[in-house]
Amino acid sequence: KQEVTQIPAALSVPEGENLVLNCSFTDSAIYNLQWFRQDPGKGLTSLLLIQSSQREQTSGRLNASLDKSSGRSTLYIAASQPGDSATYLCAVSGNQFYFGTGTSLTVIP
Amino acid sequence: NAGVTQTPKFRVLKTGQSMTLLCAQDMNHEYMYWYRQDPGMGLRLIHYSVGEGTTAKGEVPDGYNVSRLKKQNFLLGLESAAPSQTSVYFCASSYGGAEIETQYFGPGTRLLVL
Repeated sequence: KQEVTQIPAALSVPEGENLVLNCSFTDSAIYNLQWFRQDPGKGLTSLLLIQSSQREQTSGRLNASLDKSSGRSTLYIAASQPGDSATYLCAVSGNQFYFGTGTSLTVIP
Repeated sequence: NAGVTQTPKFRVLKTGQSMTLLCAQDMNHEYMYWYRQDPGMGLRLIHYSVGEGTTAKGEVPDGYNVSRLKKQNFLLGLESAAPSQTSVYFCASSYGGAEIETQYFGPGTRLLVL
């Protein structure tokens, strides 16, 4: 069974700092990996999707990388802002999506 | 275009009561999913559907039933609620399967079983 782990569980940084969130998974036979954002009391919003054949995807200040062979992905957030405060979840897809437990990010003004 | 909507937003049940959670999507998606989210556990798939009239079990199906009578709706039923079913339930939909497509999520239903 696929296991997805996200470390750290919580992270607090001052505004303007660059930061990296980590995701690891146990089974490298995946179709793709996604990063989602979840605001308190809300559903999930997809941020970036990386197909298994790709190494990275970028959207604005966000960059996600994928190393399928080592079972790792990172989400890089540049010049963090208070509005980035949320929980970030990664999910890998085999026959279904398997989610990590998320990293709760707080950006301090 | 409302996306994915869920009804109700919050519900309190007593042990043994039954209820149905409704998910609706207006994006003409074929695939629909029900997840539950518990602290420290991440999202876990309960049931899913790959098209109208089809349903399949996910990772944690016990105690739940589902129906997909119309393409736009996916219902999750609890026949006899238990405190272990206290959770936040999310519905999601996608045009294709998990191998190629992202999923679009509803806002969630918070369920408390006493």
